[in-house]
Amino acid sequence: AQKVTQAQTEISVVEKEDVTLDCVYETRDTTYYLFWYKQPPSGELVFLIRRNSFDEQNEISGRYSWNFQKSTSSFNFTITASQVVDSAVYFCALSGGEYGNKLVFGAGTILRVKS
Amino acid sequence: SQTIHQWPATLVQPVGSPLSLECTVEGTSNPNLYWYRQAAGRGLQLLFYSVGIGQISSEVPQNLSASRPQDRQFILSSKKLLLSDSGFYLCAWEELKSLSGNTIYFGEGSWLTVV
Repeated sequence: AQKVTQAQTEISVVEKEDVTLDCVYETRDTTYYLFWYKQPPSGELVFLIRRNSFDEQNEISGRYSWNFQKSTSSFNFTITASQVVDSAVYFCALSGGEYGNKLVFGAGTILRVKS
Repeated sequence: SQTIHQWPATLVQPVGSPLSLECTVEGTSNPNLYWYRQAAGRGLQLLFYSVGIGQISSEVPQNLSASRPQDRQFILSSKKLLLSDSGFYLCAWEELKSLSGNTIYFGEGSWLTVV
């Protein structure tokens, strides 16, 4: 079975601090996809990134970066120099294998950035 | 570009009343479509998905049903709402790129309160 664990329920940081959101996944499949979504207070889920299981290259997009490590089944998300607008719930998700294209979500991490 | 819209954005319904949430996708054809629910505990649960007109798969037994009368239209319904149906409902569509993996994009969401 597939499972995504986001152990951090809530994180509070002060603006300009760096913050890392952890994501650990479980799957028996060799081909799978990992995602991060942002859910601001408005509720809409905003797609941030998708990684394929065969591509372990880390990715950077502006202040966002992602560290994918198959050896530890982790796909962590780091925000550099956090801003108040980063405050949201962040979800890690997994798809592929026996679940096909359906997303299995983690419980989410609430990030609060204080000014 | 592709867009997804769902409505109504917010509704308050009495127990026992019917429900109809509608979702439409523009700018793509034959998308996979999904309905997710997010209860108060923040977790996202897949309710239904559809790979084509009239093709609906249900993930969990419940008081809800889904229909896909047109290629880019997905409707979530109930004949008689229960208090437990309260939550945030998200429609999503899937961008199909079979070689590099698929990405699921979400609509704005609909807040349902059953009273």
